[in-house]
Parts: sequence; structure tokens; C-alpha cells
Amino acid sequence: QKEVEQNSGPLSVPEGAIASLNCTYSDRGSQSFFWYRQYSGKSPELIMFIYSNGDKEDGRFTAQLNKASQYVSLLIRDSQPSDSATYLCAVKQSPRRDDKIIFGKGTRLHILP
Amino acid sequence: DTEVTQTPKHLVMGMTNKKSLKCEQHMGHRAMYWYKQKAKKPPELMFVYSYEKLSINESVPSRFSPECPNSSLLNLHLHALQPEDSALYLCASSHEANYNEQFFGPGTRLTVL
Repeated sequence: QKEVEQNSGPLSVPEGAIASLNCTYSDRGSQSFFWYRQYSGKSPELIMFIYSNGDKEDGRFTAQLNKASQYVSLLIRDSQPSDSATYLCAVKQSPRRDDKIIFGKGTRLHILP
Repeated sequence: DTEVTQTPKHLVMGMTNKKSLKCEQHMGHRAMYWYKQKAKKPPELMFVYSYEKLSINESVPSRFSPECPNSSLLNLHLHALQPEDSALYLCASSHEANYNEQFFGPGTRLTVL
């Protein structure tokens, strides 16, 4: 059973601090990794994707991928109350066109003002 | 135009009704997806259209019938639904039918009475 695991939270982080969200996956052959942000009652919004080992930075967001350890993380620097949301990790196992994305159950993040 | 639109935003229907959900994108994406999301759960893939042809049906009951009239439009026809079908229905699109970098519409909140 291919799985994507996330701590459901809530993860509480003071405003201005770094929020660290983690995700592990079971299929060692996984190729593509995505982070979506979902506000309550809204649709998921793609905020980061990463395909290679290492770090990828975009503004206050950094995605980190470690294929050997089978985890991907999302760091949010200078956390803002507007970052409070559920963060969904999604993993695509292979480059095959018909291999679908597997979503984790999401981590609820709460930024404390 | 860099967004996916969905109509209606909210829909309430009885179990004997027939209704349709609509999705539109003008990003030139050639893959479009229907997902279903229940509260506090991740999105579940229902259907995938690639180049206007149905490529994936995730064993969805026949009371859900997808249609892709052209490369920009995706419909989901609903008939004889059950109360347990109440959920947020999300449309997404991606440049290629490889599940990478999917962009979601705002969703239709469906309630079946």
C-alpha cells in the first residue's frame, strides 16, 4: 500500500518563527513532490513542488527533499497569521503519465499572533 | 488567464434530481481532473481527462458521469445521488496528463438531501 504520512497537528507556531512541516512516503521510487495549502472551506493551492534532492526556495517557503530517507518537508520562515491553514503533501510515485498523485491527510498549522 | 473556474459554488439537490457541475480553464492545459473531498480528508481522484478523452475512472459509481466537450471545459453530470455524496467537488488542470503541478478550481459545495 503506497502511503504518504503527515502529522495531523495542529502545529502551533508563534508569529515570526519558522514553521516546519514534515511528510514521509513509502514508495522509494517516488519522483515528484508537492505541497498544497488549503484554507478552511477553500480549495487546495499549489505552493511548492520539488523533483530533486536538496532544497528549493521560493520567498518565505523552502521545500526540502531527502529521497534516501524518504521524507519531504516544508519550511515557512517569518510565519504570519495568514499562513494558518492545512498543508497537504502530495507524492507522485513515477514519471508514468497514469501514475496518480497520492495525498497525505494534511497538517493543520496555526500561527499564534 | 491563470485560473480554473467552477460553477455553481454551492448546490443543493434531492436524490431524484439531475444536475451538472461545470469547470473551465483557459491556460491551455490538456489534462483535467475531478476530485471529491470530504471534510478533514484529502482530495480523492474521480476522473482524469487527457486531450479530451477519459483516461482514468477511479471506479466511480455511474450516478456520476463526466464529460469533456472541449479542451477548456469539463462537466460532471449528477443523477440519483445519495446523501453520502455530499462533499466539495474540485476540478483541477495540469499542462500535461502526468499529474504534475495541478491547479485547482474553487470547488462546488454539494449537499444531497
